[in-house]
Amino acid sequence: EIVLTQSPGTLSLSPGERATLSCRASESVTSRYLAWYQQKVGQAPRLLIFDASSRATGIPDRFSGSGSGTDFTLTISRLEPEDFAVYYCQQYGRSPYTFGQGTKLEI
Amino acid sequence: QVQLVQSGPEVKKPGASVKVSCKAPGYSFSSYGISWVRQAPGQGLEWMGWISAYNGNTNYAQNLQARVTMTTDTSTGTAYMDLRSLRSDDTAVYYCAFTQNPYTSSLPFHFWGPGTLVTVSA
Repeated sequence: EIVLTQSPGTLSLSPGERATLSCRASESVTSRYLAWYQQKVGQAPRLLIFDASSRATGIPDRFSGSGSGTDFTLTISRLEPEDFAVYYCQQYGRSPYTFGQGTKLEI
Repeated sequence: QVQLVQSGPEVKKPGASVKVSCKAPGYSFSSYGISWVRQAPGQGLEWMGWISAYNGNTNYAQNLQARVTMTTDTSTGTAYMDLRSLRSDDTAVYYCAFTQNPYTSSLPFHFWGPGTLVTVSA
């Protein structure tokens, strides 16, 4: 199975700053089938980015995704207070569809 | 935006089975695929498998294949996830997630249910 490794494990930033989250795959992700999800405490995950760089419906344009092959990045251009959460990457190109271990974005 | 409704929390003893349901009221159920994802307390996300609401095709995670069955009832627009031979490490929140195409499991999870807590304890 494809193992996804996210870094850093925890990212401490302030509102207004730029956040860069990394997701590295153990092998190439088919057709850039890589998604990013945001999860707040007590809530279900929410899809932010799919196909590596496409924003899901209703997602603000401060969220952007990039990358291909084995290296992917989620960037939040200017952090808002509601952005502090845990972020997961997921590959859905090859079953089993694995998730990274998560990056906690904290104030 | 598809709103999903899941069944309520469950407490089970080791060795028992649990069946969790997921419904999308008011939507064309057969147009979707449904994945199930679980999250143990304080842990990350684990994909369990997928079922097509159109034709019932399934794709299970190999580590759960012997214990999990996913089904759908198109008459009521409900998906079910049945997990057998429960162990303490099956304690988790179980989410259903709808994908916007019933013909392939290789899709992102656009819509998520609120989750169902399953606790396995003697």
